[in-house]
Amino acid sequence: DQQVKQNSPSLSVQEGRISILNCDYTNSMFDYFLWYKKYPAEGPTFLISISSIKDKNEDGRFTVFLNKSAKHLSLHIVPSQPGDSAVYFCAAIPTGTASKLTFGTGTRLQVTL
Amino acid sequence: DAGVTQSPTHLIKTRGQHVTLRCSPISGHKSVSWYQQVLGQGPQFIFQYYEKEERGRGNFPDRFSARQFPNYSSELNVNALLLGDSALYLCASSLGTGGETGELFFGEGSRLTVL
Repeated sequence: DQQVKQNSPSLSVQEGRISILNCDYTNSMFDYFLWYKKYPAEGPTFLISISSIKDKNEDGRFTVFLNKSAKHLSLHIVPSQPGDSAVYFCAAIPTGTASKLTFGTGTRLQVTL
Repeated sequence: DAGVTQSPTHLIKTRGQHVTLRCSPISGHKSVSWYQQVLGQGPQFIFQYYEKEERGRGNFPDRFSARQFPNYSSELNVNALLLGDSALYLCASSLGTGGETGELFFGEGSRLTVL
C-alpha cells in the first residue's frame, strides 16, 4: 500500500525553466511533508518542508505547495539549473511520529542545457 | 564537521548469513534512524532510536534488530539473510527525536547484496 505516490518516475526540463514535481498521499494522518534530493552514491539531502497548517513554503528557488483537500503537494524549482539534476523524494510524517518518514518512489529530474 | 558515517559502504553476503551495519551520527545528535531502500523505491523506515531506546519500528520481520550505544552510534543487524534483503541501508541522525521539521541527516548508505 503506497501511501505516498510520485507518479512521474522522470522529468526533463531545460535550464532556466520551471521544474514541477508532484506528489500525492492517501493517509489523512500525515501532517508534515518534506522533499529530499538524492545524488548518486550519496544519502538523501533535506530540501524543503511544509506543515499541514500552511499551503505554501518558499526557500530561494524552491517552493512547495500543499493542497490538503486534494492530498497533493508539489515542488517548484525556478529557475532550474543543471546542478538540480537528481532524484527527488517526497516524504510525509504522521502526527506524533517525528522520525518515521514515509517516502514516495522518487522522480528523477534531468535539467538539460 | 563530519556528517553521518556508515560502514561498510558495500558488502556481499550469501543467503542465511548474518550482517551488521554500523552508523555514527553527527556529533551532538542523539537520534538515529535506519531506512531500507530497495532499487527503484523510496527509503522505507526500519527503526528509530533516541537516547538508546527504541522509539519506533517499521514493518520489518524480527530478523531485523538494532541498538544504540552510549556514544549514540548504532548498529543494524539482519539475521538469516534473504535475497530480498539486498538494498541500500541508510542511517539518518537528528538532534532530537526527529525534530518538528522532520529534518534527518542521512549517511551515504551501506549497499548490501545477498547472493
